[in-house]
Amino acid sequence: QKEVEQNSGPLSVPEGAIASLNCTYSDRGSQSFFWYRQYSGKSPELIMFIYSNGDKEDGRFTAQLNKASQYVSLLIRDSQPSDSATYLCAVRGGTSGTYKYIFGTGTRLKVLA
Amino acid sequence: GAGVSQSPSNKVTEKGKDVELRCDPISGHTALYWYRQSLGQGLEFLIYFQGNSAPDKSGLPSDRFSAERTGGSVSTLTIQRTQQEDSAVYLCASSLVAGETQYFGPGTRLLVL
Repeated sequence: QKEVEQNSGPLSVPEGAIASLNCTYSDRGSQSFFWYRQYSGKSPELIMFIYSNGDKEDGRFTAQLNKASQYVSLLIRDSQPSDSATYLCAVRGGTSGTYKYIFGTGTRLKVLA
Repeated sequence: GAGVSQSPSNKVTEKGKDVELRCDPISGHTALYWYRQSLGQGLEFLIYFQGNSAPDKSGLPSDRFSAERTGGSVSTLTIQRTQQEDSAVYLCASSLVAGETQYFGPGTRLLVL
């Protein structure tokens, strides 16, 4: 079992729709959770992080964390073609060590105009 | 201000040769991370530095890989006796301190023939 799992996609949504990206993790002791966006051929850039159970909103993005079920999700409202990218989930803490980040393989999102 | 820089941007080498990859973090950032990203894969943690010390080297794939950081700034990742499976994009990230937001460099694309 991979430590951080994501559906590779592609996830295709029409412009203006809500895109829902999911991530599960295996280390119950994980403490911090991150979503990165990576455009093709570019480096990852941080979108959001979340530490506590529940929802965290930032503009069109909402991160949701459920530690009991060991999943974290990212919702993108009013999806735009410019949101088309690969979204990487990362987890930090737990048995891997406090400052070591474990990344999933990413979900490719395609927003159709 | 200047972001994280990496050099070279591309490197083609022959199997068995040694290569050095350089990372120059954002000025004042004390933490520095190295990752590897193979085609279509997520980021694989290699090593991180806090200052000049490397508290976690657990991600280095073999003893052919080593890294150092001097003066709390520039870091060099060295791969000895390169193999074809070492071909990947090597990404460096820095943060103010370990655990804070990471900022990624543009990466070094390594191809081992």
